[in-house]
Amino acid sequence: DAMVIQNPRYQVTQFGKPVTLSCSQTLNHNVMYWYQQKSSQAPKLLFHYYDKDFNNEADTPDNFQSRRPNTSFCFLDIRSPGLGDAAMYLCATSRGGQTGANVLTFGAGSRLTVL
Amino acid sequence: GENVEQHPSTLSVQEGDSAVIKCTYSDSASNYFPWYKQELGKRPQLIIDIRSNVGEKKDQRIAVTLNKTAKHFSLHITETQPEDSAVYFCAASTYSSASKIIFGSGTRLSIRP
Repeated sequence: DAMVIQNPRYQVTQFGKPVTLSCSQTLNHNVMYWYQQKSSQAPKLLFHYYDKDFNNEADTPDNFQSRRPNTSFCFLDIRSPGLGDAAMYLCATSRGGQTGANVLTFGAGSRLTVL
Repeated sequence: GENVEQHPSTLSVQEGDSAVIKCTYSDSASNYFPWYKQELGKRPQLIIDIRSNVGEKKDQRIAVTLNKTAKHFSLHITETQPEDSAVYFCAASTYSSASKIIFGSGTRLSIRP
């Protein structure tokens, strides 16, 4: 089945120790997103790619970086995680484009714990 | 940039009654308004969406209305059932290559038996 797969599902790291979260998709969607969701809050957009074009939100900390080496994969790098970065990280995809195909398909999420 | 406000933050209704959740948006260029439902411990799932060329859309017990002039849109759930208990998020977006989708703050809906 076509889907969005995130790894790992659970990540525990120490304060300041870099982590990388991965997302892969078999939908051949043009757009890939990274959202941060803290408990009882809305998903907060960190950045997204339309194909290879990178779009960073103005309030996304520099501590967060992203890579999209090909259509299928996207990575979230957190260079020096702080306690405040503990959250669920949701990857999503959409077809994108002028036809307005903006329906998001979410992965199951990667829950990050920072000790 | 776009800002989406959502009210109320929590809503409790008797099973069988209706529930209404309201959102406002700031960017007049926004033309696509989806609603997502997130059950506890699960990923958000699209339940209904509306595009700016229509004022209302229905899907069984769920309906969404849009007022472009006032920049607000609402989710209506009729004949609520226990499985409707979840957090609901509205969102706004534009038809563009950037395809940026911004969520409202969410409404926790509880259905009382």
